[in-house]
Amino acid sequence: GQQLNQSPQSMFIQEGEDVSMNCTSSSIFNTWLWYKQDPGEGPVLLIALYKAGELTSNGRLTAQFGITRKDSFLNISASIPSDVGIYFCAGRHNTDKLIFGTGTRLQVFP
Amino acid sequence: GAGVSQSPRYKVAKRGQDVALRCDPISGHVSLFWYQQALGQGPEFLTYFQNEAQLDKSGLPSDRFFAERPEGSVSTLKIQRTQQEDSAVYLCASSLDWGLAKNIQYFGAGTRLSVL
Repeated sequence: GQQLNQSPQSMFIQEGEDVSMNCTSSSIFNTWLWYKQDPGEGPVLLIALYKAGELTSNGRLTAQFGITRKDSFLNISASIPSDVGIYFCAGRHNTDKLIFGTGTRLQVFP
Repeated sequence: GAGVSQSPRYKVAKRGQDVALRCDPISGHVSLFWYQQALGQGPEFLTYFQNEAQLDKSGLPSDRFFAERPEGSVSTLKIQRTQQEDSAVYLCASSLDWGLAKNIQYFGAGTRLSVL
């Protein structure tokens, strides 16, 4: 099935550093979403974006909906140990089903 | 309950066995989704219900996969004659409404299926 290209695949950073990850698609989406998944759990929504060019923040997280509607990025500032997990982007066309990215695995070292 | 509940959490099946995975959505949620997540991958859409109507089953990988939601609440994903490639985490999600841009899908913890 279709999966979005997400990069980097994994990141190993020190506590306090900023993190940036992005997601690209060959097709246009009407909605971009960013989820976090902890081991043994389902994805949890972090940020939702509904308009091209939109920039939205949720605490230390900031995400943007690309102008072309084919990409999105997520920034995490001042990382902390509980940021560890797998981050997934997801896009939605005109239907309700989500197309997920391949994931970015984040490790934070003290 | 407060969230989406899935059972069992873990299922081990011998190749060729039939399995049934259950999803209890958030009370009152109209839409219900099933996704398959292979190891190291993102979730992939399987099928979608609006109340009891299965509106999209384009992601079901073969006719061995069957999903139902007879009363518009609890849903069951059934896999017949399981194969090793069916080993994955099966995630269920529900949302309050459908067709709205700001519809949020809430996910359960998933059922991890291992086919030996």
